[in-house]
Amino acid sequence: GEDVEQSLFLSVREGDSSVINCTYTDSSSTYLYWYKQEPGAGLQLLTYIFSNMDMKQDQRLTVLLNKKDKHLSLRIADTQTGDSAIYFCAESLRGGKLIFGQGTELSVKP
Amino acid sequence: DTEVTQTPKHLVMGMTNKKSLKCEQHMGHRAMYWYKQKAKKPPELMFVYSYEKLSINESVPSRFSPECPNSSLLNLHLHALQPEDSALYLCASSQGGRLGGNEQFFGPGTRLTVL
Repeated sequence: GEDVEQSLFLSVREGDSSVINCTYTDSSSTYLYWYKQEPGAGLQLLTYIFSNMDMKQDQRLTVLLNKKDKHLSLRIADTQTGDSAIYFCAESLRGGKLIFGQGTELSVKP
Repeated sequence: DTEVTQTPKHLVMGMTNKKSLKCEQHMGHRAMYWYKQKAKKPPELMFVYSYEKLSINESVPSRFSPECPNSSLLNLHLHALQPEDSALYLCASSQGGRLGGNEQFFGPGTRLTVL
């Protein structure tokens, strides 16, 4: 069955880089997504990557995809206190259904 | 307009009440979704509407009744809920009509408390 796994917590210092990792199981996934959720808010789509790409960069965000190992990562450069949130990776299945990971809670210390 | 709006923001209801959650988008999206989210957990899919027709029901209890009056609106009617139904209810929309690539845009959610 489909499954997406993430580590639950990550703590970094302000100004450092953060790397959030995710593994997925469904090799037929065409798109993989990163969402950010701040306390009490909905999910904000941060970025996505198509499965035939290895890397995508968008300002401070870099997404790396290793399709052979089914491993996805999100790197946030120069992490700020405003980046503190829960980050969910998700794989897209046919029919538009998203399978979410458990979420990684990122804590940024000043 | 790149926003999904949800009303109300907060809702407190008793187990015998009937209430409705509302969701609206004006991005021309043809797929709309309801999710339930417990604290610090990922969203759980409840229903998917595609082109105003119910396409997925994830075995949700009948006390939750979705309705899609038109392509911009999605309602969730609530009746005889249980305290364990207390959660954040999220609406999302996507372009629809394609396999994959359907990035979903989420609303801010309705925080529901059932007493």
